[in-house]
Amino acid sequence: DIQMTQSPASLSASLEEIVTITCQASQDIGNWLSWYQQKPGKSPQLLIYGATSLADGVPSRFSGSRSGTQYSLKISRLQVEDIGIYYCLQAYSAPWTFGGGTKLELK
Amino acid sequence: EVQLVESGGGLVQPGRSLKLSCAASGFTFSNYYMAWVRQAPKKGLEWVATISTSGSRTYYPDSVKGRFTISRDNAKSSLYLQMNSLKSEDTATYYCARGEGTANWFAYWGQGTLVTVSS
Repeated sequence: DIQMTQSPASLSASLEEIVTITCQASQDIGNWLSWYQQKPGKSPQLLIYGATSLADGVPSRFSGSRSGTQYSLKISRLQVEDIGIYYCLQAYSAPWTFGGGTKLELK
Repeated sequence: EVQLVESGGGLVQPGRSLKLSCAASGFTFSNYYMAWVRQAPKKGLEWVATISTSGSRTYYPDSVKGRFTISRDNAKSSLYLQMNSLKSEDTATYYCARGEGTANWFAYWGQGTLVTVSS
């Protein structure tokens, strides 16, 4: 099975700060990586698909990148509404696997 | 507007069965792979099952293989998850999700239905 190691597990940042979350895949998964945001009591929401493509309606301050088997989600200027838990997902091969999540809080 | 509405959750004893349903609307259901994803209380997301557009192909992780069965009725725009031999570790909120491509990512999610396995 492909393991997705997500870091950090938690992160405290200030408004307008740049935030970066990473997922390390245990093997090559190409661009079959997506990112999700989950707010308390809500369903996950797609942010990024294909490692770098922005989902419809997602603010442009979110971006995704890839370097080999390391994938990153960047929030260029943190806003209050960005608080929540972020997950990566690999869908290169079954079993699909999520990262452990990153809890993003305001400092 | 795409809508996914899960139902069928509840309290069930260990070893018993439960069937979840997901009613889809706002898109041509038969054109999309569908999946179930669960989330145990205060835990992360776990993929549970995926089904192809026709239902001919299904995929499961080892944690539920042989106990859970995903199915669909394209005429009714409905997705199902039959869960047998339930264990306490199956306690979670179960989400229905629409796959894009061959379920390479999930652009739409339902609100979830809570399954509690306890005696």
